[in-house]
Amino acid sequence: AAGVIQSPRHLIKEKRETATLKCYPIPRHDTVYWYQQGPGQDPQFLISFYEKMQSDKGSIPDRFSAQQFSDYHSELNMSSLELGDSALYFCASSGTVRTYEQYFGPGTRLTVT
Amino acid sequence: GENVEQHPSTLSVQEGDSAVIKCTYSDSASNYFPWYKQELGKRPQLIIDIRSNVGEKKDQRIAVTLNKTAKHFSLHITETQPEDSAVYFCAPDPYPQEYGNKLVFGAGTILRVKS
Repeated sequence: AAGVIQSPRHLIKEKRETATLKCYPIPRHDTVYWYQQGPGQDPQFLISFYEKMQSDKGSIPDRFSAQQFSDYHSELNMSSLELGDSALYFCASSGTVRTYEQYFGPGTRLTVT
Repeated sequence: GENVEQHPSTLSVQEGDSAVIKCTYSDSASNYFPWYKQELGKRPQLIIDIRSNVGEKKDQRIAVTLNKTAKHFSLHITETQPEDSAVYFCAPDPYPQEYGNKLVFGAGTILRVKS
C-alpha cells in the first residue's frame, strides 16, 4: 500500500538559510499534519491542513510557514534557520473527516550548522 | 490543553514476559487513544488504537485497555520479543474536531526486551 512520502530525507543547511520540506499524503487522504521531533524528544505538533485550509496550529515558530496544495501535497517552509531547528520533521496524513488514524511519513532529518 | 503522562519511562523485560505501559491524560473530552511504536531514527508507527466507546481492544500480542473514568489507558504486550524493543508513545486526542485532530504525545517509554 502507498505510504506518506517526504522529501528530501536529509537536509543540511547553515544558520539563517531557508529550507523547504515536502510531503505527499497517502492517496485519497485529505488531511496533513506536520510534527517536529528533537533528539530524545516526543513529536511536537506544528500545524495541520484539511482540504487545503489550515485546520489547527501548534508550536510553530513565526519563521515557519506551510500550505497544502490542490493535489493535497504540503510544503513546510522554514526561514532564518537556527541551530535549534535541527530535528526530524514528520508529516502524517489521515483520511476523510472523522478518520482519526494518522500515518506518518519517513521524516526529513534537518541539520542546521 | 491536554496533559499527558506515561509510565514507566523505561521498561526492561525478559523475552517472553509481558510489558505494560500506562498513559494518563487530563482532558475528559478525549475520545481517541492511539499507541505508536518508534524505532531509532524511524517514523512513529501506529500499532493499536481505541475509541472511547470501547473498553478493550486486542490485536494478536498487543492490547489496549481504557478507563475513561480514571482518564488512563494502557498498552499490553504479551510474549515479548527482541523486535518489540523500541520507544512507545501514547497520543490521546485532546479534543475531537471535525477537521483533523492533532496528537499530543506522551514523553515515551523505552522498552528493552532482553533475550
